[in-house]
Amino acid sequence: QSALTQPASVSGSPGQSITISCTGTSSDVGGYNYVSWYQQHPGKAPKLMIYEVSNRPSGVSNRFSGSKSGNTASLTISGFQAEDEADYYCSSYTSSSTLYVFGTGTKVTVL
Amino acid sequence: QVQLVQSGAEVKKPGASVKVSCKASGYTFTAYYMHWVRQAPGQGLEWMGWINPNSGGTNYAQKFQGWVTMTRDTSISTAYMELSRLTSDDTAVYYCVAVSGTRWDYWGQGTLVTVSS
Repeated sequence: QSALTQPASVSGSPGQSITISCTGTSSDVGGYNYVSWYQQHPGKAPKLMIYEVSNRPSGVSNRFSGSKSGNTASLTISGFQAEDEADYYCSSYTSSSTLYVFGTGTKVTVL
Repeated sequence: QVQLVQSGAEVKKPGASVKVSCKASGYTFTAYYMHWVRQAPGQGLEWMGWINPNSGGTNYAQKFQGWVTMTRDTSISTAYMELSRLTSDDTAVYYCVAVSGTRWDYWGQGTLVTVSS
């Protein structure tokens, strides 16, 4: 089971909207609505930002939103802020024996 | 509030085993499956498997079958992950994650395992 494909890096200016893609296959992203997104600051544990494609846990800013089309899921950060600078990972349930697969990770930086 | 507190950093020699603990508090321990995920230095996240704290049943990623053992002690609300036959490729931060349904809400702080001769 290969990792889901994410861009290595994305940059944005404060106030902008940025979007991170996560591409898989029909066996994972495209086959299930079990895509999640995590934010990870250096030296910290990942934090759940989105689950089941587009649901936001309580306490997560509504500037974060998720969507999916076919085999590609996306995380959008609107009104980008400096505190959003972090690594972001997607994950999905998969029909393979691995059961869960993560994305390759995207480093988000402020311009 | 839910807390997962993991054991401290470990340094092991190649071929040895390591056992990482994850003590849960703030919720009913048997209510959430406990998953384990690892992250090699500068790398991404890798799912290792889960344990059902209620039944003790496990499901390991194919890569780790025969090599990882997940157990729990419900009397002290603690889950364990033991990895054997360590190599330098197993140097990573290991996380426990309490999962409710499809929500991976609660993560431990991570345990760094370094494998070095």
